[in-house]
Amino acid sequence: GESVGLHLPTLSVQEGDNSIINCAYSNSASDYFIWYKQESGKGPQFIIDIRSNMDKRQGQRVTVLLNKTVKHLSLQIAATQPGDSAVYFCAENGEGNQFYFGTGTSLTVIP
Amino acid sequence: GAGVSQSPRYKVAKRGQDVALRCDPISGHVSLFWYQQALGQGPEFLTYFQNEAQLDKSGLPSDRFFAERPEGSVSTLKIQRTQQEDSAVYLCASSPGRLATNNEQFFGPGTRLTVL
Repeated sequence: GESVGLHLPTLSVQEGDNSIINCAYSNSASDYFIWYKQESGKGPQFIIDIRSNMDKRQGQRVTVLLNKTVKHLSLQIAATQPGDSAVYFCAENGEGNQFYFGTGTSLTVIP
Repeated sequence: GAGVSQSPRYKVAKRGQDVALRCDPISGHVSLFWYQQALGQGPEFLTYFQNEAQLDKSGLPSDRFFAERPEGSVSTLKIQRTQQEDSAVYLCASSPGRLATNNEQFFGPGTRLTVL
C-alpha cells in the first residue's frame, strides 16, 4: 500500500530562522504532492503544491523541493514567524482522487 | 465568502449509538471528500463525491460507515453502532473541479467525535 512519512515529528526554530520540514514517500508513481498546514482545531490549509515534472517550486516565503530519485519532499519556510507554528503534512496523490497524508511534523517557533 | 462548514463541531456518543455528521461545502464546488483524522495522525481518505455521485468509498472502514450527498451540495457522514475506535476528527473538504490534482481542496474545521 501507499505510505507517506515524515523524518522529524517535532521541530523547534527561533523566530526569523529558516525551517526545513522533510517528508518521504514510497509510491514512485505519485505525480502530485501538496504541503498542508494545520493549526489546532482547524482543518488543513493548502500551502504549496508541486508536480513530478518539477524539482522546485517557490511561493511566498515557502519553497518545496522534490527529489524523485530518493522519493523525498521538503518544505522550506524562510524567516519563520510565530504564526507559522502548526503541524505540517505532506500529501501525495493516489488512486483516483485519493490523497495520502503523512503523519505530520509539529513546528514550534520560539519568539 | 463562506468556507466549508461542519456540524456539530464536537460530538460525544455512547458506544452503540448512531451519529450523523454534516458538511456544508463551498457553494458550487463539484467535489467533496471525507477524511478521518486520528489523534496525532494525518487525515485518512474515507470517500469522495462528484456532485451527488459517490465515486469512491474505498476508504470507509466498515459497513457501519455511510455517506451521502443527495442533491450534490450538503453531505452527511453517518456512523452506525459507534465503537471506541471510531473516535477521531472527521474532516470534510470540497474543491471546485473534478480532478483532485488540478483543484485545491478546501477543508472544514472538522467534527471531533468521542465515543465513550
